[in-house]
Amino acid sequence: DVKVTQSSRYLVKRTGEKVFLECVQDMDHENMFWYRQDPGLGLRLIYFSYDVKMKEKGDIPEGYSVSREKKERFSLILESASTNQTSMYLCASEGQNYEQYFGPGTRLTVT
Amino acid sequence: GENVEQHPSTLSVQEGDSAVIKCTYSDSASNYFPWYKQELGKGPQLIIDIRSNVGEKKDQRIAVTLNKTAKHFSLHITETQPEDSAVYFCAAAGRRALTFGSGTRLQVQP
Repeated sequence: DVKVTQSSRYLVKRTGEKVFLECVQDMDHENMFWYRQDPGLGLRLIYFSYDVKMKEKGDIPEGYSVSREKKERFSLILESASTNQTSMYLCASEGQNYEQYFGPGTRLTVT
Repeated sequence: GENVEQHPSTLSVQEGDSAVIKCTYSDSASNYFPWYKQELGKGPQLIIDIRSNVGEKKDQRIAVTLNKTAKHFSLHITETQPEDSAVYFCAAAGRRALTFGSGTRLQVQP
């Protein structure tokens, strides 16, 4: 079974802090994704990566950056957290037939 | 880019009844349509998917239909059970990455 893990289930950060969200997959998948989930808005794509050191902007990249130094690890970075970044963050890894496997999510609160 | 609309936003059914969730998409190049189920406190999990060369697919109590001409696809759950209660998301994939619908909260009343 594919396993996608996220470093934290819950995080509370202050406005202006730098925040790192880590995601690790164990299936040697090339494609990895970061989404944020907000009520009534579904899942919105922040960034994705098709290979190591490769990244591409999704639909809502503003205020975020990413890092993919190793194939199994994809990190989402909030350079200066703001209250409107309070949300559920979901990482996904994609198989060969486009099926995506999600981690359990990180609920981030910025105060 | 792709736009996916999903209806209804909430759905309440009696145990044993059927449930239907509908999605429409805008990009005619989309060719992969998965459905995800998200239980409380968990990430979404793929439950069924369909590709553009197929009109219908079934897996036990779950079925998905696709009408490429009308650009819509639907999830059908028969003989619903309390454990089917969850949020369901449709998605469409075409030129780039998956675009998700806004979700349907399904409540199955025992």
